[in-house]
Amino acid sequence: DTEVTQTPKHLVMGMTNKKSLKCEQHMGHRAMYWYKQKAKKPPELMFVYSYEKLSINESVPSRFSPECPNSSLLNLHLHALQPEDSALYLCASSQRLAGGPDTQYFGPGTRLTVL
Amino acid sequence: QKEVEQNSGPLSVPEGAIASLNCTYSDRGSQSFFWYRQYSGKSPELIMFIYSNGDKEDGRFTAQLNKASQYVSLLIRDSQPSDSATYLCAVLGSARQLTFGSGTQLTVLP
Repeated sequence: DTEVTQTPKHLVMGMTNKKSLKCEQHMGHRAMYWYKQKAKKPPELMFVYSYEKLSINESVPSRFSPECPNSSLLNLHLHALQPEDSALYLCASSQRLAGGPDTQYFGPGTRLTVL
Repeated sequence: QKEVEQNSGPLSVPEGAIASLNCTYSDRGSQSFFWYRQYSGKSPELIMFIYSNGDKEDGRFTAQLNKASQYVSLLIRDSQPSDSATYLCAVLGSARQLTFGSGTQLTVLP
């Protein structure tokens, strides 16, 4: 089973709203990732959690706040977003073993629209 | 120079033909190489990964890796209209971060 689930599928929010995106995997993977993807562009890495610790934050604005409650769950808390933050937000997970291909599997994504 | 470059496309091939997608990378310490397929509005779906020089075949798909030339390719044999999608080359670099190319849009014409 290589399934990563994300909720919600679609989200529309105003610039003053607070919302959260959720991601879950049950593959026993120890790394989880948030990516942002704009139309006709490749995914851009935002955050990496490795063994439930934030290991990479790619200079993402503080209006995006990640959280990893346990090894299976990853949240992205959103606050005071801008219209340019509208994008497809992708969650991925990988085994994060030392060596090996460390293949990342993506969830279906959340389509976010900021009004 | 971009870290991962793909032939820009778009690429159109007739049904039944071979589609050839190419990718070069700059980090010589790169360890693993991936091809993802992404349909419009959907998330990337893993097609293949390769980490040893040479060819790796899976059904109609063949990935080829040449580390000396820093080149990886994907061949799709007997292309079908359902193969029409954007193909993303991704490279796991020495920092163990995945870097994506800009993608090649493939259209298979019936």
